[in-house]
Amino acid sequence: KNQVEQSPQSLIILEGKNCTLQCNYTVSPFSNLRWYKQDTGRGPVSLTIMTFSENTKSNGRYTATLDADTKQSSLHITASQLSDSASYICVVSRSNSNSGYALNFGKGTSLLVTP
Amino acid sequence: ETGVTQTPRHLVMGMTNKKSLKCEQHLGHNAMYWYKQSAKKPLELMFVYNFKEQTENNSVPSRFSPECPNSSHLFLHLHTLQPEDSALYLCASKGVAGGPPPYNEQFFGPGTRLTVL
Repeated sequence: KNQVEQSPQSLIILEGKNCTLQCNYTVSPFSNLRWYKQDTGRGPVSLTIMTFSENTKSNGRYTATLDADTKQSSLHITASQLSDSASYICVVSRSNSNSGYALNFGKGTSLLVTP
Repeated sequence: ETGVTQTPRHLVMGMTNKKSLKCEQHLGHNAMYWYKQSAKKPLELMFVYNFKEQTENNSVPSRFSPECPNSSHLFLHLHTLQPEDSALYLCASKGVAGGPPPYNEQFFGPGTRLTVL
């Protein structure tokens, strides 16, 4: 069964600290993995995308890693800011399909950055 | 902004009402999607349209009726909804293979927060 599991479900950190969010998946055949950031009351916005051959991708203070062998990904946030407070969603695509059914969404990790 | 707009942003309706959600994309994409996002659950795909034709219906109850008059606009008509239909409804659009990158990325609108009383 194609599943995407994220942990932790929620996280509270102090401003300026680093944190790491986890994503484990069983989706097959694998095409790519995206991390989205969803602010409260907004739609998800893509942060990074990684294909099978990529094991790390950065976007500013966000760094995503991918281990396609163990089917695990992480999103590391450096020097967190209050604006990082959001839900972070891991999305894994199955290959050879343009259908919306090819996307498998995690439940998301809710991050709160406090002053 | 992502180039995908949705109206209204908030909607409260009774179970006997009829209302419509609207989505518009300004990205030149040819695929559009409706998703339902409930608390503590992953996004659930509802409908997919490619070049104005419905290509996916993920076993959605008939009280939800989509309409795609052209590649830029997508509607979701609602009637006789249930309280459990209360959720954030997200619209997304995507380019087609062979187009400019990131052609296979979905761009989401801000969503409509729906409350059914």
